[in-house]
Amino acid sequence: DAGVIQSPRHEVTEMGQEVTLRCKPISGHNSLFWYRQTMMRGLELLIYFNNNVPIDDSGMPEDRFSAKMPNASFSTLKIQPSEPRDSAVYFCASSLGGSTGEQFFGPGTRLTVL
Amino acid sequence: AQSVTQLGSHVSVSEGALVLLRCNYSSSVPPYLFWYVQYPNQGLQLLLKYTTGATLVKGINGFEAEFKKSETSFHLTKPSAHMSDAAEYFCAVSDEGGYQKVTFGTGTKLQVIP
Repeated sequence: DAGVIQSPRHEVTEMGQEVTLRCKPISGHNSLFWYRQTMMRGLELLIYFNNNVPIDDSGMPEDRFSAKMPNASFSTLKIQPSEPRDSAVYFCASSLGGSTGEQFFGPGTRLTVL
Repeated sequence: AQSVTQLGSHVSVSEGALVLLRCNYSSSVPPYLFWYVQYPNQGLQLLLKYTTGATLVKGINGFEAEFKKSETSFHLTKPSAHMSDAAEYFCAVSDEGGYQKVTFGTGTKLQVIP
């Protein structure tokens, strides 16, 4: 299995631009999670989906952030407009329903907003 | 709500010395507990997990952890540290509400001194 796939691995953009991060979960997994990691705030859960339905988006910092999961094999996290304080590493993780909760993480997308 | 407390954001040990990373949790139901490791510029990967049964759990790279219900602890140990163990370690507990949501601790960075 290829594991969780994220793209791009690195993204550098200018303030005000739209940024779209992509994630392909492990085939057969039905829960998907978006995290943000920074030095200051550590690892934060932004939103998670179960069977493509958003369950809890209370971690999404502002309305500038949105996430979608149009099907079981694809999810996006969009920031519009981006700001320098959005600079972080964004991780996607997936897990299998009915299991013990073990999550499998992607390699992350390092976002830099200038 | 469940929570995890990791004591010590930074731990330094000499190569060959015992590694002890502390984790305490709170949970209203029998928890599932995890330790994840994050190497520089990588995503988190599972080191070991406790679900049910034997309270001493062995993981990869010689790590183990013991679930102590009376102390609500799940400390991570390794008898002899290697330079390659330098990484950040996260303790986590699964959510009793289902959907495989996992609550992560704030992480402990392990430094191994030659």
